[in-house]
Amino acid sequence: RKEVEQDPGPFNVPEGATVAFNCTYSNSASQSFFWYRQDCRKEPKLLMSVYSSGNEDGRFTAQLNRASQYISLLIRDSKLSDSATYLCVVNGRGSTLGRLYFGRGTQLTVWP
Amino acid sequence: DVKVTQSSRYLVKRTGEKVFLECVQDMDHENMFWYRQDPGLGLRLIYFSYDVKMKEKGDIPEGYSVSREKKERFSLILESASTNQTSMYLCASSLLPGTYNSPLHFGNGTRLTVT
Repeated sequence: RKEVEQDPGPFNVPEGATVAFNCTYSNSASQSFFWYRQDCRKEPKLLMSVYSSGNEDGRFTAQLNRASQYISLLIRDSKLSDSATYLCVVNGRGSTLGRLYFGRGTQLTVWP
Repeated sequence: DVKVTQSSRYLVKRTGEKVFLECVQDMDHENMFWYRQDPGLGLRLIYFSYDVKMKEKGDIPEGYSVSREKKERFSLILESASTNQTSMYLCASSLLPGTYNSPLHFGNGTRLTVT
């Protein structure tokens, strides 16, 4: 079983729409969770960390469900500039706590 | 702001050549990583290092080696480049292992083509 699994999409939504991505992880001992954004032919960049109580950053909301081992990202009022691939990232266990595991990404296209 | 710098943005090498990819970070991070990214396969970890002179194999270490002589520098070496090593290579760094919420900071990548 993969450490992190994401729906690859693609998700195609109009401007102004609300879109949600989910991601499941296999390691119940994981403690650190992130969403990264990657634009075409660029490096991944940290979008936001995901905290146990959930957190919001402007139009973006991240949630963590430890019982079901999934994290989610909600984007409200989508903009054209939100078009990118979104990567779910989870840390490892034990001696590899510093290692992060990446999902393969969910592709989002926002159209006018 | 964390800066991770990769020495080359684009490289073209011939089959059989020895290739060095250099990465430097300026935030005194303990952890450094090398990934490759290919369409449909996502990011795959090649090697990582928790400290100077330490290295650990990732998921796809075959055909690669690494060197970490100084904390800020982590080099990836392709001993004898092959065409299946054509890829985007990404270096990253982060704080101590086990540090809660220590995200990775990436360099802007090296697109390597082996002909």
